[in-house]
Amino acid sequence: ETGVTQTPRHLVMGMTNKKSLKCEQHLGHNAMYWYKQSAKKPLELMFVYSLEERVENNSVPSRFSPECPNSSHLFLHLHTLQPEDSALYLCASSQAQGRPGEQFFGPGTRLTVL
Amino acid sequence: GENVEQHPSTLSVQEGDSAVIKCTYSDSASNYFPWYKQELGKRPQLIIDIRSNVGEKKDQRIAVTLNKTAKHFSLHITETQPEDSAVYFCAAKGYNFNKFYFGSGTKLNVKP
Repeated sequence: ETGVTQTPRHLVMGMTNKKSLKCEQHLGHNAMYWYKQSAKKPLELMFVYSLEERVENNSVPSRFSPECPNSSHLFLHLHTLQPEDSALYLCASSQAQGRPGEQFFGPGTRLTVL
Repeated sequence: GENVEQHPSTLSVQEGDSAVIKCTYSDSASNYFPWYKQELGKRPQLIIDIRSNVGEKKDQRIAVTLNKTAKHFSLHITETQPEDSAVYFCAAKGYNFNKFYFGSGTKLNVKP
């Protein structure tokens, strides 16, 4: 795949596990996002990184911990999750200059918390 | 903050008919309004967008209209085809270019 990639595509974990989601963008963008998509709910913005600095933390529980080591990579570290955290987690990226605003999404990680 | 509402939540049309999905937003400072199509099991993909200095934009069978005064924007799909069946999301970008607010989605079903 090109553009925005995410791994793993599917993840099943217990409430005591620690896991990480990875996102990589090959578009030269300088902003990256984590969204949570649950059934019958709008896309929920979780975190925004711009130029590798976190610029938005949308009241997300501390059991979700983002990391942006460089402009091409974004991680979401998970620990002691709850069953209600089961959802599709989407990564996206965008470019501030040029045509600001257009976001490109990754394929998502389907997370199931047992 | 911004609040985006989207209607209807489901829409069923016959192939060849038109489909209209409407969204309202609350923040008059919002200036960018994209529409995304998400097919089952796939990622959301941008299909059309409009900026606040434009009232209407068309791309083949798809058009978007924006009424800044009333703070609403709509997606119009003409001559619908079965492959148009998907969930459609509207969004509004606030003053901070990094923050997007999404509607709750419309599940469109085009019956052959």
